[in-house]
Amino acid sequence: SAVISQKPSRDICQRGTSLTIQCQVDSQVTMMFWYRQQPGQSLTLIATANQGSEATYESGFVIDKFPISRPNLTFSTLTVSNMSPEDSSIYLCSVGNANQPQHFGDGTRLSIL
Amino acid sequence: GQQVMQIPQYQHVQEGEDFTTYCNSSTTLSNIQWYKQRPGGHPVFLIQLVKSGEVKKQKRLTFQFGEAKKNSSLHITATQTTDVGTYFCAGGLDTGNQFYFGTGTSLTVIP
Repeated sequence: SAVISQKPSRDICQRGTSLTIQCQVDSQVTMMFWYRQQPGQSLTLIATANQGSEATYESGFVIDKFPISRPNLTFSTLTVSNMSPEDSSIYLCSVGNANQPQHFGDGTRLSIL
Repeated sequence: GQQVMQIPQYQHVQEGEDFTTYCNSSTTLSNIQWYKQRPGGHPVFLIQLVKSGEVKKQKRLTFQFGEAKKNSSLHITATQTTDVGTYFCAGGLDTGNQFYFGTGTSLTVIP
């Protein structure tokens, strides 16, 4: 199965700033996803990162707040923009699709002061 | 929108007791997957069910996919402290490649 490295593993940020999270996969994958998991909650899909085109966002998530890059088949970034305390969460990238097991990175634990 | 609900939200059991979590989708699923997330960890894939009425076993874990492909269950026989964690179902749709995670069931096993 794919090995996924996510950076940073955790960060504490000031409100109003932005943070970019990186997700690197050890093999080429078609589908990459970004999820948010708020404390004690389930995983909510933010968007599907598409290689060579704009990401596909789920309802409630917009590109201005969560811009995503997918420059190639092994790498993606998620930026959390203009952060507020409500953005404190774990952000996870995953690879797979609806018919295959999803493999997750270790996640980025983000706290906004 | 797509909703996948799980009950119960929390479950405390004595070690050795059985445990079951139920997963219900608002729409028909192409397949269902189960994941386990240990405290502080990320979700780890357990199993995938594809066929209507399918039942799969992994040692003490039994997974079932409903006939209508809208519900599923995970049953653990004789729980152990290593079973502690949150169990999520996740459903895929016939259209698109997204996966929608259930609300999760947090299992605590009391030694």
